[in-house]
Amino acid sequence: GAGVSQSPRYKVAKRGQDVALRCDPISGHVSLFWYQQALGQGPEFLTYFQNEAQLDKSGLPSDRFFAERPEGSVSTLKIQRTQQEDSAVYLCASTGFSGSSYEQYFGPGTRLTVT
Amino acid sequence: GENVEQHPSTLSVQEGDSAVIKCTYSDSASNYFPWYKQELGKRPQLIIDIRSNVGEKKDQRIAVTLNKTAKHFSLHITETQPEDSAVYFCAAKRNFGNEKLTFGTGTRLTIIP
Repeated sequence: GAGVSQSPRYKVAKRGQDVALRCDPISGHVSLFWYQQALGQGPEFLTYFQNEAQLDKSGLPSDRFFAERPEGSVSTLKIQRTQQEDSAVYLCASTGFSGSSYEQYFGPGTRLTVT
Repeated sequence: GENVEQHPSTLSVQEGDSAVIKCTYSDSASNYFPWYKQELGKRPQLIIDIRSNVGEKKDQRIAVTLNKTAKHFSLHITETQPEDSAVYFCAAKRNFGNEKLTFGTGTRLTIIP
């Protein structure tokens, strides 16, 4: 079946604009994660959903970042009043049991550039 | 919280030689350690993982070793091929279920033909 998809793939925003990034997880995956990957770095955890419940948002860097998953499938990460330091690739992952653990399947990411 | 360090940051090896990437972690409660391969502009993909009750796991040319006492684990790629060129990330988490991954900073592996 289809993997995790994200849109848009690329987003350029002027400083101060709001952006919304979408994640479509693998069908049937109840858990969904958002990560932020700065250039040359490993992904860093932002937030985690199980179905529609946001169980962990400890990685969100500021109150300008907001995530939702109202129906337990598609998720949206919203960044208000974007700043240059928000420039990064935003990765979404959904999890499925692989036989020994819950493997996280990543989407292709959204590259956000704030000018 | 967990902290994962990864070395080296870049690695170049001749085609056919072996490559080794090392990671250390800080949280003794971590017990699941996956490795991801990320090609340029593409998504991270799981290539191998190991649980804390296992010291070594092998899958064809790829192997991972874990030393829980020393809190370090390593990725070994033998008989390297040009398609092995990518950035490799190690990661750790506390259990096998749904939980966030803490990633290392990545190793850019280049295979020289």
